Amino acid sequence: SYELTQPPSVSVSPGQTARITCSGDALPKQHASWYQQKPGQAPVVVIYQDTERPSGIPERFSGSASGTTVTLTISGVQAEDEADYYCQSADTSGTYWVFGGGTKLTVL
Amino acid sequence: EVQLEQSGAEVKKPGESLRISCKGSGYRFTTYWIAWVRQMPGKGLEWMGIIYPGDSDTRYSPSFQGQVTISADKSILTAYLRWSSLKASDTAVYYCARAAYGRLSFDSWGQGTLVTVSS
Repeated sequence: SYELTQPPSVSVSPGQTARITCSGDALPKQHASWYQQKPGQAPVVVIYQDTERPSGIPERFSGSASGTTVTLTISGVQAEDEADYYCQSADTSGTYWVFGGGTKLTVL
Repeated sequence: EVQLEQSGAEVKKPGESLRISCKGSGYRFTTYWIAWVRQMPGKGLEWMGIIYPGDSDTRYSPSFQGQVTISADKSILTAYLRWSSLKASDTAVYYCARAAYGRLSFDSWGQGTLVTVSS
């Protein structure tokens, strides 16, 4: 079955830039989304269609795509950005959707 | 305002059946996909399957095919996730989430339903 691969953890100091990657064979063909999940809360979409930011999401969140990898970039990380982040996409047919394993962002 | 309201927490015994629900409001229910997502304790998100209430087109993750049933009743704007025989390993929080037709993104989520299966 199709899989998306993320690093388990990323650590940055406040004000620095955090980059979280997500790799999958179908990513050149299918868009990806990114979700932020804080403890005890439902996920929230922060990036969709690889690069689009929903209204209400701070400008410091951005997305990019290159080949089989998509990247979530958080510029000027704040303490409130500490959370789990998940990428999500689908296989080449679009039939089976999938989440990456998740990345825990720690703000030092 | 778009809302997905899920049914309340459940405590069940192994072997029992269960159906949890997700009621949509504030949008045209029949023109958005509704997915179910599992999150086991301390673990990540898992896509279980998805239904398009407009025509009941339903797809399952291979990991969940045959283990659960996803359905929807568009007359009452509600999607369901059903188990016929629960196992202890089904203990998890289950979320429903909405995706626009043609989009691979969940723009609205339910609050989650905690299902605890224990003898």
